[in-house]
Amino acid sequence: SQQGEEDPQALSIQEGENATMNCSYKTSINNLQWYRQNSGRGLVHLILIRSNEREKHSGRLRVTLDTSKKSSSLLITASRAADTASYFCATDTTGANSKLTFGKGITLSVRP
Amino acid sequence: NAGVTQTPKFQVLKTGQSMTLQCAQDMNHEYMSWYRQDPGMGLRLIHYSVGAGITDQGEVPNGYNVSRSTTEDFPLRLLSAAPSQTSVYFCASLSLDTQYFGPGTRLTVL
Repeated sequence: SQQGEEDPQALSIQEGENATMNCSYKTSINNLQWYRQNSGRGLVHLILIRSNEREKHSGRLRVTLDTSKKSSSLLITASRAADTASYFCATDTTGANSKLTFGKGITLSVRP
Repeated sequence: NAGVTQTPKFQVLKTGQSMTLQCAQDMNHEYMSWYRQDPGMGLRLIHYSVGAGITDQGEVPNGYNVSRSTTEDFPLRLLSAAPSQTSVYFCASLSLDTQYFGPGTRLTVL
C-alpha cells in the first residue's frame, strides 16, 4: 500500500515562478522527507521535517507539515530550469528511517 | 569519499538466470537498503540491514536474497530472474536521518 501520495502527478511552470507540490499520507509518521531525482540518476535528499515541526526552510525550499490533515507541501521559490526533476515524498513510521515509504513522485518541468 | 556505488549500471538477463547486484559505501553507515523503482510505482523497499550480520525484509522481498558480512557491502542476489524483476534497483545507506542513494542498476529480464 502507498503511504505517501504526491499531488499533482506532473507540473509545468515557467522559470522564476514558484512550484508547490503536495504529499498526503495515511498513518502516523515520525518524519517526512522530500527527495529529488534527476533523469537517470539516484535520489538526492532535500529536506526532512519531523512530526513535531510545522515548517522548515532550506535555501529556496520551504516544507510544511500538517499532521492533523496528514499532509505536507514542498514549495520551491523562484524556480530554475535546473529544478526540472522528479520529486518524491517519503515517510518514516518506524523511527529508524531504515524503512522509508516513498510516494510515486511528481514530475516538475521548469521552462526556460 | 565515493559515497554509495553500485555495479553494474546495466544488465540484461534471461529468465531463470541468477546474478548479484553489488552495492558498497565508504561512509561507515550502519543502515543500508535496497529499493526497486518501477514506472508509476515509486520506490519500494526490498531488503534492508541495520548492521553487519543483520538483515530484514522490506515490502517486496520475494525472489531476492541479501547478506551483510561487512559494513561496507550489501549485495542483492536474484535467485532465478523473472520478467517481473525488470526494474531499476537502488541501494542506499543511512546517516542522521538522511538516505544516500547510489546511481542505480537498470535490469532487464527477458
